[in-house]
Amino acid sequence: QKEVEQNSGPLSVPEGAIASLNCTYSDRGSQSFFWYRQYSGKSPELIMFIYSNGDKEDGRFTAQLNKASQYVSLLIRDSQPSDSATYLCAVKPNDMRFGAGTRLTVKP
Amino acid sequence: DTGVSQNPRHKITKRGQNVTFRCDPISEHNRLYWYRQTLGQGPEFLTYFQNEAQLEKSRLLSDRFSAERPKGSFSTLEIQRTEQGDSAMYLCASSLSGSSAGANVLTFGAGSRLTVL
Repeated sequence: QKEVEQNSGPLSVPEGAIASLNCTYSDRGSQSFFWYRQYSGKSPELIMFIYSNGDKEDGRFTAQLNKASQYVSLLIRDSQPSDSATYLCAVKPNDMRFGAGTRLTVKP
Repeated sequence: DTGVSQNPRHKITKRGQNVTFRCDPISEHNRLYWYRQTLGQGPEFLTYFQNEAQLEKSRLLSDRFSAERPKGSFSTLEIQRTEQGDSAMYLCASSLSGSSAGANVLTFGAGSRLTVL
């Protein structure tokens, strides 16, 4: 079992729709959870982090964490073509482990 | 502070040669991470340091890979006797440690792309 699992996609949504990205992790001791965005040919950049169960909102982005289910998700509301990128889930038990990423395409 | 700096940005080498990459983290960051990324994959953890101590090294990492952070500032990643399978982007990231909000957020460098012929 991989430490951090994501659907590789590609996920395609129309402009203005909600994009839903999912991630599961194996280490129950994980305490910190991060979503990074990576544009093609660029390095990952942080979107948001979440530490506690529940929802955390930041602008058009909402992260959801359920530690009992070992599940973390990212919702992007009012998706824009500029949101087209690979979204990486990262989990920190001790070091920082990444999933393979979900490629999102937002079509105008 | 100009962020995380990596050098060289590109390296082309022949199989069997040794290569070394350098990473200069954000100056106040005490943690430094090395990752490897191939096309279509997420960053694969290699190793990380807290100050000058190497706290963890991936079990997937062969003995040909070694990393140092001698004074707790910049770090080097050396690959000995390179193989074609080592071709990848090598990413360095730094962060603060701790439990405060925003700690452990990684800031990545632009990466060092290695091509082994």
